[in-house]
Amino acid sequence: EPEVTQTPSHQVTQMGQEVILRCVPISNHLYFYWYRQILGQKVEFLVSFYNNEISEKSEIFDDQFSVERPDGSNFTLKIRSTKLEDSAMYFCASSELRGLGMNFFGQGTRLTVV
Amino acid sequence: AQTVTQSQPEMSVQEAETVTLSCTYDTSESDYYLFWYKQPPSRQMILVIRQEAYKQQNATENRFSVNFQKAAKSFSLKISDSQLGDAAMYFCAYRGPQGGSEKLVFGKGTKLTVNP
Repeated sequence: EPEVTQTPSHQVTQMGQEVILRCVPISNHLYFYWYRQILGQKVEFLVSFYNNEISEKSEIFDDQFSVERPDGSNFTLKIRSTKLEDSAMYFCASSELRGLGMNFFGQGTRLTVV
Repeated sequence: AQTVTQSQPEMSVQEAETVTLSCTYDTSESDYYLFWYKQPPSRQMILVIRQEAYKQQNATENRFSVNFQKAAKSFSLKISDSQLGDAAMYFCAYRGPQGGSEKLVFGKGTKLTVNP
């Protein structure tokens, strides 16, 4: 069964460093998303991406964050100058068709900022 | 803004029994989608069941079914014949109508424990 794959599963980084979280969405999907879950809290939407551009972003997704689909298969989330409060699980999701809400999630990347 | 409320932080059920997880939401839309996601200890978010608001019939997926009460803005999940593998966090989520925001709005989750 097709699945969304995220790497790495766990990343530890120093505060102020840049990190790139990687995702390989399901191959025929056209819509891509990043969500964040701080430990013990609800899952929060960060950004959606379609046709090589951001289609929607939340207030969390400030200038520190960026997304890219560099090669037609990977979908990345870059966090510049990480802060302690960026520590969270980051989930990538993809969807085949807009409007059906069938987001398929990856297994997540646990980011720890120290 | 849309909100999703799960009033039960934790629930427990005996293996083979039935349990119902509650979810209420707030929206001014008439067309939308509702979901239940399961998050086991592995942390992956797994779609359990989906309901379109325009459908009156409650969705069912094997042992999982929902009770969708549109007027009351209630969307509960019933798990029948509970199994040890059902133990997980369960998140209720809302998505607005087609053509609008694509984001999922999640509740805070309910931790389900299944006792042998």
